[in-house]
Amino acid sequence: NAGVTQTPKFQVLKTGQSMTLQCAQDMNHNSMYWYRQDPGMGLRLIYYSASEGTTDKGEVPNGYNVSRLNKREFSLRLESAAPSQTSVYFCASSEIWDAPVQYFGPGTRLTVT
Amino acid sequence: KNQVEQSPQSLIILEGKNCTLQCNYTVSPFSNLRWYKQDTGRGPVSLTIMTFSENTKSNGRYTATLDADTKQSSLHITASQLSDSASYICVVSADNAGNMLTFGGGTRLMVKP
Repeated sequence: NAGVTQTPKFQVLKTGQSMTLQCAQDMNHNSMYWYRQDPGMGLRLIYYSASEGTTDKGEVPNGYNVSRLNKREFSLRLESAAPSQTSVYFCASSEIWDAPVQYFGPGTRLTVT
Repeated sequence: KNQVEQSPQSLIILEGKNCTLQCNYTVSPFSNLRWYKQDTGRGPVSLTIMTFSENTKSNGRYTATLDADTKQSSLHITASQLSDSASYICVVSADNAGNMLTFGGGTRLMVKP
């Protein structure tokens, strides 16, 4: 089992460019999440999908959109990147919405210049 | 506002020594508290999960304690190893909030030979 995989690992964008971060899990989990991690701060939830077919805003959704493509895949899109979106992005999954254990991917380091 | 504060922000210890990391939270109503280990360049990995009724839990050389009255938790690492060098993140879940979690900023531990 690969667990949670993310692509790409690194990305540099210019202000105003768009891109999609991909996430997939092979654990048959129902719930998936996107976080961002900034230096000195805790992880913050951007969007989540409690189950296939549903998505909801987290703490910091502005500037992002998501798609739960199927049970395995959950993508995060930046339509018009801004320097404030420079961060490390983590995808995570859990068996169900209130399962106490989340499994995290390796992260995508995004720099917006 | 729900908050999780961790101390110290960083810590350097010699291999073989013990250390204790602290976590104070103001999340209410409390559901569970989790400790994660995050190696540099990787996603967080779950170490322990504690509910209201548990006041101590061990995972190998890691022992977490919880005092729900004072809203404090600690993570004690015994006989540290070089591989313990990582960030340790305290995460608190509110009741009925599923995986809408509050993350601490982490303690960065460096174990030196």
